This record gives sequence, C-alpha cells and structure tokens, in this order.
Amino acid sequence: EVQLVQSGAEVKKPGESLKISCKGSGYSFTTYWIGWVRQMPGKGLEWMGIIYPGDSDTRYSPSFQGQVTISADKSITTAYLQWSSLKASDTAIYYCARQAKGGGNYYDAVDYWGQGTLVTVSS
Amino acid sequence: DIQMTQSPSTLSASVGDRVTITCRASQSISSWLAWYQQKPGKAPKLLIYKASNLEGGVPSRFSGSGSGTEFTLTISSLQPDDFATYYCQQYDTYWTFGQGTKVEIK
Repeated sequence: EVQLVQSGAEVKKPGESLKISCKGSGYSFTTYWIGWVRQMPGKGLEWMGIIYPGDSDTRYSPSFQGQVTISADKSITTAYLQWSSLKASDTAIYYCARQAKGGGNYYDAVDYWGQGTLVTVSS
Repeated sequence: DIQMTQSPSTLSASVGDRVTITCRASQSISSWLAWYQQKPGKAPKLLIYKASNLEGGVPSRFSGSGSGTEFTLTISSLQPDDFATYYCQQYDTYWTFGQGTKVEIK
C-alpha cells in the first residue's frame, strides 16, 4: 500500500528555522517525483516545488524560490521541506504529494497525498 | 506561469442536481488537467486525470471534458457525499491549481 506519512504539527516563532518531513512507503521512492503544496487557512492549494528523489533534481515555483528548500534522503525514503527563517505568513498546512507517472507528459497528476502538516508561526 | 481560473467560486445545489464546474487555463495545456475533491480537514483526492479519465474507485457520476484552455467537471446527480471543494490542476508545465469551487447545500 502506497503511503506518504508526514511529520506532526509544529508551532514556531518568527525567525526560527524548521524542517518537516514526508516518508514514502509501499512503492519505489526513487522513481516518483514528490511535490509540496501549501494551503493557507481557508484558502486554496499552491504548488511550491517538486523533487525527484532518485537524483535530487528539484524545481521550485517562482513564488517560493529562495523562500524554502526541498530535499530528499533516498536511504530513508523521506522528502523534506525546510525554512531558514519563518514568517507569520508561513502559517499553513503543507502537503507532500506523489506525482503519478506513465501519463505521457513530463509532469503528471497527484495520485497520493500525505495527511498534511500544520505549521503555525506566531510570536 | 500558467494561470488557472475556476468558476464559480461557490455553487449552491441540492441532492440530485446536475452540477458543472469550469476551469480555464491562461494558455493551452492540451489535456494535462486533473480534478480533485477536498473535504474539510482532509487531503485532496484525485477524481479525474488527463481531462477526462476517471481515477479508479471514483463514482461514474463524475466526468470531465475539455482540452486546450477550457475544461469542465460534471457531477451528473449530486450526492450527499459530494458536498466539498473541487480544484482543477494543470500539469502541462509544473503544477498550477485553480482557486477552488465550494459546492454547498442549497
């Protein structure tokens, strides 16, 4: 069974750093792209970036380039999203999401989602 | 960047109604479009991929159509479990989501 299990909720202060995780299981972790999606309170879905754990090839949305870092450790089948200095506006639920493959395009739909990690940034 | 615009933002409907949601892309994305359903406190769920292909396990009352820049999601007969928010997503170049359509009880 394919699963993406994310780390638990976090409460942080502005200026602090944070790294959240997404552990994949039940499939070949290195051969599927993993994306990260932000959902601010009461708002829609925003694509942040995507990583191919096989070679750590990473692409960022222009809106998030330089604001976050996406990485992966294939030895423990885990992807990460990290911030070096959080802002109150980073308060949101963050989802990791597995990109399907075989659809005929370089990019594809999301076939599996993590359960989400709530990040709250408040002084 | 490819922008995705959904309409309407909110839709009030009754059980049994036929419901249609529209998604427009700012440039042609061929058929590289997916639809998702999201319920409060839950992750989105894939309904339709490549504009018109039903994901396994999704009820046949859901259907998708369109290509290029105009797409629709149709629910043929709305059921109580269908009250949720729906998002389109283009995956022609990276990912972009529409702003969502909330389907609420009339």
